[in-house]
Amino acid sequence: QKEVEQNSGPLSVPEGAIASLNCTYSDRVSQSFFWYRQYSGKSPELIMSIYSNGDKEDGRFTAQLNKASQYVSLLIRDSQPSDSATYLCAGDYGGATNKLIFGTGTLLAVQP
Amino acid sequence: DGGITQSPKYLFRKEGQNVTLSCEQNLNHDAMYWYRQDPGQGLRLIYYSQIVNDFQKGDIAEGYSVSREKKESFPLTVTSAQKNPTAFYLCASGQGTNYGYTFGSGTRLTVV
Repeated sequence: QKEVEQNSGPLSVPEGAIASLNCTYSDRVSQSFFWYRQYSGKSPELIMSIYSNGDKEDGRFTAQLNKASQYVSLLIRDSQPSDSATYLCAGDYGGATNKLIFGTGTLLAVQP
Repeated sequence: DGGITQSPKYLFRKEGQNVTLSCEQNLNHDAMYWYRQDPGQGLRLIYYSQIVNDFQKGDIAEGYSVSREKKESFPLTVTSAQKNPTAFYLCASGQGTNYGYTFGSGTRLTVV
């Protein structure tokens, strides 16, 4: 099992719909989780972080963390064509390593 | 404004040549990281440094070298020993993984 795993997609949703992006992680990853958005040819941009079980909302974005099931998800409400990008899930190894491990990303395409 | 500056944006390397990618940050972050991104493979960690004058190998360090003589700077040298260096190189910095990383805009390296 990869340490952080995502479906590569593409995930295609119509404009205005909810996009649901999922990520699972292994026992080596713990504590903190992050979602990055990466437009084609650009660098990743941090959009959400979550540390505790449950939901965290920020505008149209909601991150969900379930440590018992070892998954993290990102919901994007009222999806817009400008949300079309690759979304990277990342978790940290914990302890003193101070390192994040990234999934391979899910490509989201929002159709106008 | 605080941020991370990578230069150059595009770099062309001839066979057998060493090249150095620059990364400078003014965020006062202790930790800095170098990642390589290839299509469909996500981000792979090359080297990281948690403090000045100290750095550790990541998952794919062979053919690369780094230095950390100043807190603000973490240059990456791609040596001739790296046989497949064509990729998108990303530098990041962070202050503890609870806060995630901030990425530079990247350097696209091509072998000619």
